[in-house]
Amino acid sequence: AQSVTQLDSQVPVFEEAPVELRCNYSSSVSVYLFWYVQYPNQGLQLLLKYLSGSTLVESINGFEAEFNKSQTSFHLRKPSVHISDTAEYFCAVSDLASYDKVIFGPGTSLSVIP
Amino acid sequence: DTEVTQTPKHLVMGMTNKKSLKCEQHMGHRAMYWYKQKAKKPPELMFVYSYEKLSINESVPSRFSPECPNSSLLNLHLHALQPEDSALYLCASSQDETDRNGYTFGSGTRLTVV
Repeated sequence: AQSVTQLDSQVPVFEEAPVELRCNYSSSVSVYLFWYVQYPNQGLQLLLKYLSGSTLVESINGFEAEFNKSQTSFHLRKPSVHISDTAEYFCAVSDLASYDKVIFGPGTSLSVIP
Repeated sequence: DTEVTQTPKHLVMGMTNKKSLKCEQHMGHRAMYWYKQKAKKPPELMFVYSYEKLSINESVPSRFSPECPNSSLLNLHLHALQPEDSALYLCASSQDETDRNGYTFGSGTRLTVV
């Protein structure tokens, strides 16, 4: 069975500093990986996804994530954060065996400090 | 139209009430989902509809009754709920169950059971 671990429940970071949000997964088959962001009092928005091909994927607002199969990780990074990046970030996984189920990690709360 | 619209945004109901949550999308998506999200927790899958047919029920209590009247509309009928059912209820959609491009989420209905 697949599962997702986000080791950091809360990450405080100063504005314009870099940040990395960690995500590890377990699955016995090939996986599809996602990062979703949830701003306060809103639904989830897809930030970026890895399906196949290049292991480095980027979003339009400066985030990137790298798929590392040997370490079963899909960490999210941003070189310089803004106040507006304050939100809850969920890593999610689905696999070929259960493509109709997306499993979400517990989430990481990113707080950007002015 | 690239949105999933959920109504109402907020709902307070008594334990003997009957109410319904509504979800609508006009993107031509044929898979629709109901998720339940408690505070500071990841979304938990409740139901999946594929081509207007229920394909997954994650052992949800019968006091929650989903309905998909057409390909654009998804309802969640609520009856005799308990205070522990208070949560954010999220609707999502995707092209179909095999779509690996991620889900589009609505902003949710925040439900309080008193």
